[in-house]
Order: sequence, then C-alpha cells, then structure tokens
Amino acid sequence: DAKTTQPTSMDCAEGRAANLPCNHSTISGNEYVYWYRQIHSQGPQYIIHGLKNNETNEMASLIITEDRKSSTLILPHATLRDTAVYYCIVTSGTYKYIFGTGTRLKVLA
Amino acid sequence: GAGVSQSPSNKVTEKGKDVELRCDPISGHTALYWYRQRLGQGLEFLIYFQGNSAPDKSGLPSDRFSAERTGESVSTLTIQRTQQEDSAVYLCASSSPAGGRYEQFFGPGTRLTVL
Repeated sequence: DAKTTQPTSMDCAEGRAANLPCNHSTISGNEYVYWYRQIHSQGPQYIIHGLKNNETNEMASLIITEDRKSSTLILPHATLRDTAVYYCIVTSGTYKYIFGTGTRLKVLA
Repeated sequence: GAGVSQSPSNKVTEKGKDVELRCDPISGHTALYWYRQRLGQGLEFLIYFQGNSAPDKSGLPSDRFSAERTGESVSTLTIQRTQQEDSAVYLCASSSPAGGRYEQFFGPGTRLTVL
C-alpha cells in the first residue's frame, strides 16, 4: 500500500472549514483513500473514503486531485468536538491499514 | 447495533507475567484486526484474521505475541512474559467486505501497563 504524508498539526477556528491535506504520490490505480479520526482515548472512527471522484457524506467531504496524488478532507463547519488526530490511509482494500502519525487538528473556540 | 467490544479496558501487570486481551467483533464481520498504539504514536498493525485463519501475522513483534480467533467470533491476543516496552493501547477492529467496502470498525482498546 502506498505511503501518505500529512502535516503534523493544524489549528482551525470553530465554525470555519477545516481543510486537511494528504499527499499520496505513489498511489496506484486500484487503491482507495480512506480517512479516519481518533478522538483522545478512543478507537479510530471511519470518516469517508474515495477512489477518484469527490465524495461527501454527513461528516465531511473528500476532494481527490485528478492525478490522485493528493487529497483534502474538508470538515465544513468545525466544532470543538472535531478536535482529534486525522489519519489518511491509502489501501487496495485487501486488509492492512498502514497508519502514519496523522494530523493533530485543534479546533479553537 | 453493538460495536466492537474489548476487555479488559485497562490491564496492569508485572514484568514477566502473561496477559490475554479479548476482542468481540461486530456480528457477521469476517475480518478481524489487531493493532498496537504506543503513547503519542500512530497505530501499528499486528495481525489480521479472515474467519479463524490468520493469513498475515507479519506485524507481531516477537514470538511472545500470539493470537487466536474462534470461527468468525471472538479473538484473543496473548502476550507472554510481558516486558515494559509492551505497554501500549491494543486496538481491535473488524470489517466486512460486503459491497466492496473495507472500512474497519474499531473497539475502544485495552490499555496495557507493564510495571
């Protein structure tokens, strides 16, 4: 599975959109991009995934560049409860997730 | 419905003792995974089960670590002769590839402290 690169940390003002980038330049054609988040002391929680089209659900939007080498997770109206570590994972769906260190998002009041 | 459950939630043990960690996956999920998360770190893959077979044990850090799964149900991760470096949160996840979705559902974890 391809490796991912994410910024170590980001801050976002409450009510504003949080845009979390992820680079996955070695992604291959059959690999999906998955996003999870981990709120302190809890297990990771699935947010969204995509292959090449942009995706939206009740939690977030996922924008994948046309060359698929990077993506951005968008939380449209961040709240204090969105403070968490966000993991971007690239996987062919076989089974194994390779978790990096993720982006620590802090939402500020 | 019920999510993934793990027990115990916390375990404190002395160096050299054996410990067993339990995971109850979501009913009907054929795949089960174990991960380890050291303080301030990301998750490390340990082992994957499909049904009760383990096609990938590559993440187990030493032969002191072993895991079993009963059918498509409960799994137990055993650590023998625990060492202080085994202190971590051990997370279990399950998934079902139905519909081509592979999202993993995680339990709350077991926090292991080896004194």
